[in-house]
Amino acid sequence: RKEVEQDPGPFNVPEGATVAFNCTYSNSASQSFFWYRQDCRKEPKLLMSVYSSGNEDGRFTAQLNRASQYISLLIRDSKLSDSATYLCVVNRGATTDSWGKLQFGAGTQVVVTP
Amino acid sequence: NAGVTQTPKFQVLKTGQSMTLQCAQDMNHNSMYWYRQDPGMGLRLIYYSASEGTTDKGEVPNGYNVSRLNKREFSLRLESAAPSQTSVYFCASSEQWRGAETQYFGPGTRLLVL
Repeated sequence: RKEVEQDPGPFNVPEGATVAFNCTYSNSASQSFFWYRQDCRKEPKLLMSVYSSGNEDGRFTAQLNRASQYISLLIRDSKLSDSATYLCVVNRGATTDSWGKLQFGAGTQVVVTP
Repeated sequence: NAGVTQTPKFQVLKTGQSMTLQCAQDMNHNSMYWYRQDPGMGLRLIYYSASEGTTDKGEVPNGYNVSRLNKREFSLRLESAAPSQTSVYFCASSEQWRGAETQYFGPGTRLLVL
């Protein structure tokens, strides 16, 4: 079983619509959670960190469910520029050795259509 | 504001050849990382340097070596390239070795081993 699992998609979304997708992680010791965005043939870039209480950044909302070990991302009022692959990222644990080690999901592709 | 730079952008090698991938960051970050990204898989950590003067193995270190030349530079060496090392390689850096730190990525090196 992969440590971080994501639906690869693609999620085809009309412009202006809402799209949401989840990712599950297997390491219960993970302490830090993120969504990164990766455009085609580009490097990943941080979209947002995910906090226990859930957090919002403009049109993007992230939720964390520690009990069920999943995080979610919701995009409201989708723009053409939101077309990208969204990477779910968790750190490997709370020990000094694992703090900075990130585990990446393979990504969920979102395609926003006019 | 260059951020993280990588050279070369593209490289074709024959099996058995060696090469060094260069990475530099100008953000005064303490921690640096090398990842590889293969289709359908998340980024996988090859080696990391939590701070200047230290390097450690990540998830997939076999066939690679690294050098943290100074605080700015972290190179990845393939001593005897194999077709299984065909991949996109990303260098990243973060301010500290902490789980909650944002990692900033370079633009990547696309490597084809024939």
